[in-house]
Amino acid sequence: EDQVTQSPEALRLQEGESSSLNCSYTVSGLRGLFWYRQDPGKGPEFLFTLYSAGEEKEKERLKATLTKKESFLHITAPKPEDSATYLCAVKRQGGKLIFGQGTELSVKP
Amino acid sequence: EAGVAQSPRYKIIEKRQSVAFWCNPISGHATLYWYQQILGQGPKLLIQFQNNGVVDDSQLPKDRFSAERLKGVDSTLKIQPAKLEDSAVYLCASSLVATSTDTQYFGPGTRLTVL
Repeated sequence: EDQVTQSPEALRLQEGESSSLNCSYTVSGLRGLFWYRQDPGKGPEFLFTLYSAGEEKEKERLKATLTKKESFLHITAPKPEDSATYLCAVKRQGGKLIFGQGTELSVKP
Repeated sequence: EAGVAQSPRYKIIEKRQSVAFWCNPISGHATLYWYQQILGQGPKLLIQFQNNGVVDDSQLPKDRFSAERLKGVDSTLKIQPAKLEDSAVYLCASSLVATSTDTQYFGPGTRLTVL
């Protein structure tokens, strides 16, 4: 059965304190791994899609990487506006998007 | 480009009442999805439409939930009768096509509280 587990559940950082969020997955025939950001009271906002092990993508202070078993979302020198819940999801060919439970990130000034 | 629109944004009902949610996808997007997101969890797919047809409704509680997408554009999701455990955010998403790697774009959601 396809499964996605994110850790930690919650992460508190000081502004400028870099860290990483983890997304572990089990899926046969991965076709894509997706990262979304969700602010309170809003729908998920698309960040990245990763397709194969070794792939990396960057956007501002965020960098996503992918291995055969997990993905990391690295946050470099975060700012308070990076505070949100970050969701990871996987999809296999012909399958639906399976989401993890999310990591709630709080960045304090 | 306008995003996915949903209404209402909030709804409070008593258990056993009925409720309906509306979604207007991004223009030109053939595929439409309804998700349920319970507090503290990730979204869970309820139903997927490709144009007018249902592609996947395996997780839809069909004894109380129904959805339709007339004319391949707008969609409505209905719950009748509602239960306490239906309290959640109902998200609508759309994508251009339904390929494995196609990006899904989400609306703001409807927060349902069942008392």
